[in-house]
Amino acid sequence: NAGVTQTPKFQVLKTGQSMTLQCAQDMNHEYMSWYRQDPGMGLRLIHYSVGAGITDQGEVPNGYNVSRSTTEDFPLRLLSAAPSQTSVYFCASSYRTSPRLTEAFFGQGTRLTVV
Amino acid sequence: SQQGEEDPQALSIQEGENATMNCSYKTSINNLQWYRQNSGRGLVHLILIRSNEREKHSGRLRVTLDTSKKSSSLLITASRAADTASYFCATVRTSGSRLTFGEGTQLTVNP
Repeated sequence: NAGVTQTPKFQVLKTGQSMTLQCAQDMNHEYMSWYRQDPGMGLRLIHYSVGAGITDQGEVPNGYNVSRSTTEDFPLRLLSAAPSQTSVYFCASSYRTSPRLTEAFFGQGTRLTVV
Repeated sequence: SQQGEEDPQALSIQEGENATMNCSYKTSINNLQWYRQNSGRGLVHLILIRSNEREKHSGRLRVTLDTSKKSSSLLITASRAADTASYFCATVRTSGSRLTFGEGTQLTVNP
């Protein structure tokens, strides 16, 4: 099992550009989520999904879109990159048991710089 | 806003000593989880404690949960230099389907 795979690992964007961060998991987890982590801070939830075709907003959703067409994939789209979106982005997945979350498995992160 | 708040923000100890980190949260929870993050890496799950549990052990880790005080503690016994990392608590509320993280404690274990 590869677990949770994020691509790319590093990315530099110019202000106004758009891009998609990829996330895939091979554990058949229902729940997937995206977080951003800024220096010296914890993780803030951007968007999450409780299953294919279902997504919802987290704490900091502005400027980001997600979709969940399959159980395995949960891409995060930056619509028009801004310097404030410079951060490390983590994708995570977990099981849901009736319907609460259990342990989350994290990808290795994407370090994004917007200039 | 963050659901969990860790205390202290930073902790520096000698190898062999015990490390205690605390987490407070605001709303009723279904479970509370602790994670570790080595510098520049993803988070790794350490332990999960449910709201009806008071204490849980895993190897050198001991977690307690006091739902009346809305707080939890993580104890690492006989710490090692390899335990140097950031430690985060995260909560799953009784309502909703979010895993919400605190800001973390940076632990440094000096050899």
